[in-house]
Amino acid sequence: AQSVTQLDSQVPVFEEAPVELRCNYSSSVSVYLFWYVQYPNQGLQLLLKYLSGSTLVESINGFEAEFNKSQTSFHLRKPSVHISDTAEYFCAVSEPGDSWGKLQFGAGTQVVVTP
Amino acid sequence: DVKVTQSSRYLVKRTGEKVFLECVQDMDHENMFWYRQDPGLGLRLIYFSYDVKMKEKGDIPEGYSVSREKKERFSLILESASTNQTSMYLCASSFSDSLGGYEQYFGPGTRLTVT
Repeated sequence: AQSVTQLDSQVPVFEEAPVELRCNYSSSVSVYLFWYVQYPNQGLQLLLKYLSGSTLVESINGFEAEFNKSQTSFHLRKPSVHISDTAEYFCAVSEPGDSWGKLQFGAGTQVVVTP
Repeated sequence: DVKVTQSSRYLVKRTGEKVFLECVQDMDHENMFWYRQDPGLGLRLIYFSYDVKMKEKGDIPEGYSVSREKKERFSLILESASTNQTSMYLCASSFSDSLGGYEQYFGPGTRLTVT
């Protein structure tokens, strides 16, 4: 069985400062990895994902995440945050070959960006 | 534009009532999912469906049932609502193939309060 641990429940950060959200997973098989974002009063939307290939993946709004197989981690980073990045961020895993694409989510990390 | 809609944003029901939550997607996706979201617990899968009239239990199916009579519509049913089912309910949909790894598209959520 897979599980996902997000080590920080809340991360306060100042505008234009860097942020890192930590995600570790446990699985006996290879995994697909995802980061979803939930803005206030909205559903989740995909930020980025790792399926295979380059271990560094990027989003269109400046976030990046690196898959580290030896440390079973998929940490999310942004070098300079904006107020609009205030949201809850969820790390998730699924199993390659699972045609249903079931996701196992972490508990979430609330990012609060202040001026 | 991709869209998943849920019938209500907010719902208040009394203990013992039968509750229907409706979800509609316009992307011709095979897979549909119902999650509940609780603070500190992330998203937990209640049920999912991979085809019309086909359903599978997720991690927390107790107290819930589902119905999928048409490909675009997936309903969550609380046969006899209880206060511990007060939560945010999120519906999602995705494509399906043997490789998996597809993005799940989420609706805005229904915040259900059972009194």
